[in-house]
Amino acid sequence: AQSVAQPEDQVNVAEGNPLTVKCTYSVSGNPYLFWYVQYPNRGLQFLLKYITGDNLVKGSYGFEAEFNKSQTSFHLKKPSALVSDSALYFCAVRDTASGGYNKLIFGAGTRLAVHP
Amino acid sequence: DVKVTQSSRYLVKRTGEKVFLECVQDMDHENMFWYRQDPGLGLRLIYFSYDVKMKEKGDIPEGYSVSREKKERFSLILESASTNQTSMYLCASSLYPGGSDTQYFGPGTRLTVL
Repeated sequence: AQSVAQPEDQVNVAEGNPLTVKCTYSVSGNPYLFWYVQYPNRGLQFLLKYITGDNLVKGSYGFEAEFNKSQTSFHLKKPSALVSDSALYFCAVRDTASGGYNKLIFGAGTRLAVHP
Repeated sequence: DVKVTQSSRYLVKRTGEKVFLECVQDMDHENMFWYRQDPGLGLRLIYFSYDVKMKEKGDIPEGYSVSREKKERFSLILESASTNQTSMYLCASSLYPGGSDTQYFGPGTRLTVL
């Protein structure tokens, strides 16, 4: 079955330190991968996506993600965390069994806490 | 900027009531989606629509129905609300039916069923 796993419920990091939020996936065919962020009491905001091409994808707010096909991973990274990055992060992958529709499968989410 | 709006941020209803959640997008998007978000479960797709009057079941359609009479508006209907439908409901839209297109989300409606 197609799935997305975010193995950490919460990630804690000190302000100014690099951060990584992990995501692994399982789909048939070529994966289309997405990261979204959700601030308290808000909807999801798009951060970045990987469709094809360069394995390192740059997105909004200084975030980037690295696609690793052999490890079926798409980890989100930022070189220097800010307190304002504290939020809930979701990884998602296109459902390749959806007959070409734009259906996404979401992970359970990882809460990032950046401490001053 | 894409704007997706939802009719209510917070809603409290009683068991057995019929509930309507409305979603409007202003960017002429073809696709619209309804998800529910529960802690530890991420987002789960309830229904989606790829064209006016067209709808497809998602992963958890039971207890829900949808309506899309106009391109910009997608409604989620709880025919008879139950306590296990207490959740955050998120609407999204995307421009094309293809799988690489970005989905844009509304602010969400937190529904409590008593």
